Amino acid sequence: QKEVEQNSGPLSVPEGAIASLNCTYSDRGSQSFFWYRQYSGKSPELIMFIYSNGDKEDGRFTAQLNKASQYVSLLIRDSQPSDSATYLCAVRGNQGGKLIFGQGTELSVKP
Amino acid sequence: DAGITQSPRYKITETGRQVTLMCHQTWSHSYMFWYRQDLGHGLRLIYYSAAADITDKGEVPDGYVVSRSKTENFPLTLESATRSQTSVYFCASSPNVNSPLHFGNGTRLTVT
Repeated sequence: QKEVEQNSGPLSVPEGAIASLNCTYSDRGSQSFFWYRQYSGKSPELIMFIYSNGDKEDGRFTAQLNKASQYVSLLIRDSQPSDSATYLCAVRGNQGGKLIFGQGTELSVKP
Repeated sequence: DAGITQSPRYKITETGRQVTLMCHQTWSHSYMFWYRQDLGHGLRLIYYSAAADITDKGEVPDGYVVSRSKTENFPLTLESATRSQTSVYFCASSPNVNSPLHFGNGTRLTVT
């Protein structure tokens, strides 16, 4: 079992819809959780981070964490074509800072 | 300008050659990381470092060597390059154990 798993997609949503991206992780002791966005040929850039159970909102983005289910998700409201990218989930356990990424979910927002 | 820089941006080398990828950060971040990115695999951790002279293996360390004699530098060496090491390599840093990572622009390495 991979430490961090995401559906590779592609996930296709119409413009203005809500995009829902999901991630599961295997290390129950994981402490911090991150969502990065990566455009083709570019470096990953941070969108959100979350440390506690529940929801965290930042503009059109909401990160949701459920440690009991070992599940973290990212919701993108009012999706725009510029949101089309690969979204990477990353999880940091309690092993000295090691940060493990999922394989990424490709999102396509159609005008 | 403060930040994290990788060099070179592009590198072509032959099988069996030694090649070193450089990473330099100006933030004095404690943590530094090396990842490789291949289609279908996302970002895979090669090595990371919590401070100068402290390094640890990640998910895919075989064939790679790292050192960190100074806080700001974290070079990655392929001692004898193989075609399977053709990839995009990203260096990243973070100030502490729970902070997000800041990424460099990446090095695209081709081993022929």
